[in-house]
Amino acid sequence: LAKTTQPISMDSYEGQEVNITCSHNNIATNDYITWYQQFPSQGPRFIIQGYKTKVTNEVASLFIPADRKSSTLSLPRVSLSDTAVYYCLVGVPFSSGSARQLTFGSGTQLTVLP
Amino acid sequence: DAGVTQSPTHLIKTRGQQVTLRCSPKSGHDTVSWYQQALGQGPQFIFQYYEEEERQRGNFPDRFSGHQFPNYSSELNVNALLLGDSALYLCASSGGTSGSSEQYFGPGTRLTVT
Repeated sequence: LAKTTQPISMDSYEGQEVNITCSHNNIATNDYITWYQQFPSQGPRFIIQGYKTKVTNEVASLFIPADRKSSTLSLPRVSLSDTAVYYCLVGVPFSSGSARQLTFGSGTQLTVLP
Repeated sequence: DAGVTQSPTHLIKTRGQQVTLRCSPKSGHDTVSWYQQALGQGPQFIFQYYEEEERQRGNFPDRFSGHQFPNYSSELNVNALLLGDSALYLCASSGGTSGSSEQYFGPGTRLTVT
């Protein structure tokens, strides 16, 4: 299972764009990169997943360079409610019965200030 | 459509006792995974159930056991509770007719062992 490295914490102000970078130097060919968000005393929530280049959905963008050894989660115009822990995970996408486990690191505590 | 549900929300047990936690997966999902999250850490994979069988197990002792029922719901049992078992226990479901590689997490059960 590929190991990931993220900053422990980040601060930002409301309305700013936030970029959280994750390093995964030993990512395997079949691995995808997935980001989860977690609020205190709640389960993690899927944000975005990608394999290469750029993926965008209604809440975030994910940038993956050609060597795939890192990735950057971009949150546009953050608000106070985006204060949470963000986890970067690397692995083969799940399918029924594939017995794939999610390996979480310590994540990045994002604090959005007014 | 209800998401993943877990019961109970909170639980207090005494060291040495046994506990059973319950999880109902999101509609259409057939695979359930259990995670333990200690305070300030990322979730750690306990095991995964598919077709009523344990398919993969993380680094947890045999005191942790589980079960999956024909309706895909699942139970996590912990015997001989230790103080260190105090944590948020998360259930995640995926697979089945969803066709998605995303795992959906429930709100968790907060277990306190005294």
